[in-house]
Amino acid sequence: DTAVSQTPKYLVTQMGNDKSIKCEQNLGHDTMYWYKQDSKKFLKIMFSYNNKELIINETVPNRFSPKSPDKAHLNLHINSLELGDSAVYFCASSQAGAWQETQYFGPGTRLLVL
Amino acid sequence: GIQVEQSPPDLILQEGANSTLRCNFSDSVNNLQWFHQNPWGQLINLFYIPSGTKQNGRLSATTVATERYSLLYISSSQTTDSGVYFCAVEATSGSRLTFGEGTQLTVNP
Repeated sequence: DTAVSQTPKYLVTQMGNDKSIKCEQNLGHDTMYWYKQDSKKFLKIMFSYNNKELIINETVPNRFSPKSPDKAHLNLHINSLELGDSAVYFCASSQAGAWQETQYFGPGTRLLVL
Repeated sequence: GIQVEQSPPDLILQEGANSTLRCNFSDSVNNLQWFHQNPWGQLINLFYIPSGTKQNGRLSATTVATERYSLLYISSSQTTDSGVYFCAVEATSGSRLTFGEGTQLTVNP
């Protein structure tokens, strides 16, 4: 069974569109994260949720809106996509909050904005 | 904000060799983690190691928080060790996890 899954794995879209990426974990973890990895492989934390509550929001444009309907899911909605949003987005989860324990990553969603 | 520097940026090894990757950081930290990203892009969290030494198989990590560095040791390297190794820290003064730029490791058969 996949521990952390993301859909879709690939996403190609036009500038200005709105898109969503879904993440689900079946590990029973309390904390979930979204990371962005740019074309130079630089990783950056975007958001973290603990038991459906937003605990970290790292200067991400408000076009990005995470939503956690329950603690097993953390979705990322992106409005008015821009070329600079092209990246790989990783979802992760951990048992404890804010990086205190091992994180488990999803396979990533490769977003290309044309 | 805190600065994280990893060295070397690139490393090429023959299978069976040992290696040491270094992570220097500019401020005191209460969290340090090592990650491996394989050539297919999958990320794995190797160690949570804000201080001390941990071992997991052929990999071990040591963090000397007072001197602001951490080392990742890979012994008897295998081709499956290839990929990028990232260090990430959380400064004591903040809540953000900041990543280094990574070390690209290639292990040749």
